[in-house]
Formats: sequence, C-alpha cells, structure tokens
Amino acid sequence: AQKVTQAQTEISVVEKEDVTLDCVYETRDTTYYLFWYKQPPSGELVFLIRRNSFDEQNEISGRYSWNFQKSTSSFNFTITASQVVDSAVYFCALSATRNNNAGNMLTFGGGTRLMVKP
Amino acid sequence: SAVISQKPSRDICQRGTSLTIQCQVDSQVTMMFWYRQQPGQSLTLIATANQGSEATYESGFVIDKFPISRPNLTFSTLTVSNMSPEDSSIYLCSVDRTSTDTQYFGPGTRLTVL
Repeated sequence: AQKVTQAQTEISVVEKEDVTLDCVYETRDTTYYLFWYKQPPSGELVFLIRRNSFDEQNEISGRYSWNFQKSTSSFNFTITASQVVDSAVYFCALSATRNNNAGNMLTFGGGTRLMVKP
Repeated sequence: SAVISQKPSRDICQRGTSLTIQCQVDSQVTMMFWYRQQPGQSLTLIATANQGSEATYESGFVIDKFPISRPNLTFSTLTVSNMSPEDSSIYLCSVDRTSTDTQYFGPGTRLTVL
C-alpha cells in the first residue's frame, strides 16, 4: 500500500519569507514518481514538478526548489521569498504502476494550505 | 501539456437527480482518470477510463453510482447518479500522457447537492 503524508495542514507566512512544505511517502515499489501540485482558490490543480525515484538531484525553478531524499522517504518543497500569489493548497503525490493495465495511480497527501500575508 | 476542459464548471442539483460531467482533451490520450475532492479534503481516485474497455473502479466506488463512458481517445463522461448531499464535491478529470507519466488535470466541476 502507498501512503503520502503532509504533516502541515496549514502554514501562514508573511510575504518575502521562505517556507518549506514537507512530504513523506511510503511505498514498496522500487520505481515510482513523486509530484507536487498547486491548487489555487479557483480549484484547478496545477502540475509543478515530477521526480523519478532514481533521480535524487535537487531541483530549482525560479523561487521554487525541491529536496528529494530517498533515505528519509521525503520530497520537500521550498518557496523562497514567498508572494501573496503563492497562497494555495499544495499537494504532494506518489505514482505507482499498476499491473491491471489501468495506468499509473496517483496517491495524494492531505495537502498543505499556504497563506502568504502581505 | 494537454489542454483539458470540463463541463459544467459548477452546478447545484437536487437530491435524487443525476449529473453528467464531460471531460474533453485537445489530443488523443490512452488513459483518463476521474477524481473526487470532498470539501476541505484531498483527492481520491474514482476510476480509470481506458478507451475501448470498461472503466476500472477503485475501492468504495461502483459503476451504478458513477457510470463512466469513454467513446473515443479525447472524451469521457462521469455521471453522478441518484445524488445526495454527500456527493457535494469537486470532480476532476486528468489525463496521463504515457510518454511523461504525469497526470494533468482539468479545471474541475464543483457540484453542490441540496
């Protein structure tokens, strides 16, 4: 069974602060993908990043960075110099291949609501 | 990424009625997925729709309650049948571009059942 845990249900920061969103996962698969999605108040789920289980290199994209550590089964997401527009719910997800020809299944964490105050 | 649209974007329905949600993709895709997001909750997979075969339902979801059609490689529908207030949720479709193993989501359908 797969599980994704986002222990922080809500985080509130002031604009320009750095913030890290934690994600811990459980899986027995040796090959898997990890994802982060952003859900702004409009409700649409926006894809941010995909990470292969064999690639532990950290990634930076503008103000966003991701730290993947297989040893601790964590895939944390940091926003540097946060902005009000970053306010959203962020979901970490884990993908596993199923053998029944039903494609990859995404298991989502509970989400972290980030509120960035001006 | 694929462009995905859903109709309707939102609806308010009466208990006991049914609503069909449409998902349209701008390119052909093998797999389409339907998720439910109850208020304040995370996303839960309802079923996977593969063109030309019966949908695969996850535990807790049944075809009689959530019938799915997948008539071609760019379109799918999800029907929420005999609705109750507990069905009030956001319903999202997603597509899996197998070359990237990444699911992209539609804008969602916000359903309220009175």
